[in-house]
This record gives sequence, structure tokens and C-alpha cells, in this order.
Amino acid sequence: GENVEQHPSTLSVQEGDSAVIKCTYSDSASNYFPWYKQELGKGPQLIIDIRSNVGEKKDQRIAVTLNKTAKHFSLHITETQPEDSAVYFCAAREEAAGNKLTFGGGTRVLVKP
Amino acid sequence: EAQVTQNPRYLITVTGKKLTVTCSQNMNHEYMSWYRQDPGLGLRQIYYSMNVEVTDKGDVPEGYKVSRKEKRNFPLILESPSPNQTSLYFCASSYDRGVTGELFFGEGSRLTVL
Repeated sequence: GENVEQHPSTLSVQEGDSAVIKCTYSDSASNYFPWYKQELGKGPQLIIDIRSNVGEKKDQRIAVTLNKTAKHFSLHITETQPEDSAVYFCAAREEAAGNKLTFGGGTRVLVKP
Repeated sequence: EAQVTQNPRYLITVTGKKLTVTCSQNMNHEYMSWYRQDPGLGLRQIYYSMNVEVTDKGDVPEGYKVSRKEKRNFPLILESPSPNQTSLYFCASSYDRGVTGELFFGEGSRLTVL
């Protein structure tokens, strides 16, 4: 089955700097890669996703890149703000496994003012 | 307001005392799922349901049961809880498991088993 590894597990950045979280996946058949943000005391919420036929996608200050050959994808947050402090999860979906979603271990991001 | 509602949000119980965590969604979603979140392990799927009366095991189903008698409800049952089931639990729903992709999560239920 799919295995998703996420790094780093914690990330501390100064407000205004950029943050990058990286994930690798094992199953080359995976075709959909979402990112979820979990604020304190809340459930995860989808913030951006990318499909395997696209190399990059951007939405305001967040962007995701996908390298299918290397089987890794990354989340980039620019001009970080205190409200970006949260736990972020990457995931990969295997169409062959009934569209099962496998999550990475999570990254706790702290934006210091 | 579209939402997934879980209850209870917090629960402390003792080993062996049966408990049920309820989950209800008001979005008419066909797909529902339970996850547990543990530090460093991310979200691991316990059980899922593609539709009413259709349930299947996820990655960590041992010690849990589910049922899907109605489209909106998907309770998680721990028949005989053990300390290794101490965790943060999330219910999630989706229009379907495939095309649209987005999962909508509840706010979580923190369970402690003594």
C-alpha cells in the first residue's frame, strides 16, 4: 500500500519568512495530493490540492509543487503570518486502492511574530 | 451550516467500559470515515462507509466497530476500550470517495482510556 512520509515534523519560522513542507510517497499510481491544515482544537481542513497531471498550483500565499518522477510534493507558504500557525498534513490518493487517502505524519508550524 | 458533528468532544473512561462516539453530517454525503490521530503518525483510517449499510475496514480497525444505518450517521463503537485506544478521533465525510476528493472533518473527540 501507499506510504507517505512528511518532513519536517516541526517548523518554526519568523513572521514574513517562507515555510516549506515536503512529502514523499511510495506508490507511483497515486494521482491526487491534497494538503490539510489543522488549527488548534479543530478538525483538518483542505487548503490546496494538486492532481498528477499538473506540476504546480498556487492560491494566494500558498503553493504546491509535484515531482512525479521523484515521487515527492511540497507545500510552500510565503509571507507567513501568525494565523498560519497550525498542523499541516499532506496526503496521497491511490485510485487503484478504491481512492484511499493516505496521510503523512503532520508538520507543526509555528510562526513567531 | 454544512458540518460534521461529533460527540462527545472529550471523554475519559476506564478499560472495558463500552462507549460510542457519534458522528452526524448534514451535507447528504455518501462517504463517511473515522480516523485516529496520534503524534507523529498522522491520520490513520479506522473504518469507512461508501453508503448506507456498506462499511469496510481501514488501516487500524482492531478494537472498533461501526454501523451505517442512516446516511447522515456513522457511530464509532469501542466494545471494550483499552489504553492503546487513547487518541484523538475524527469523523469525516465526502460527497464521494473519488472525483471531488475533499474530506470534511468534524472537530474531533479526545478519548482517554485509563
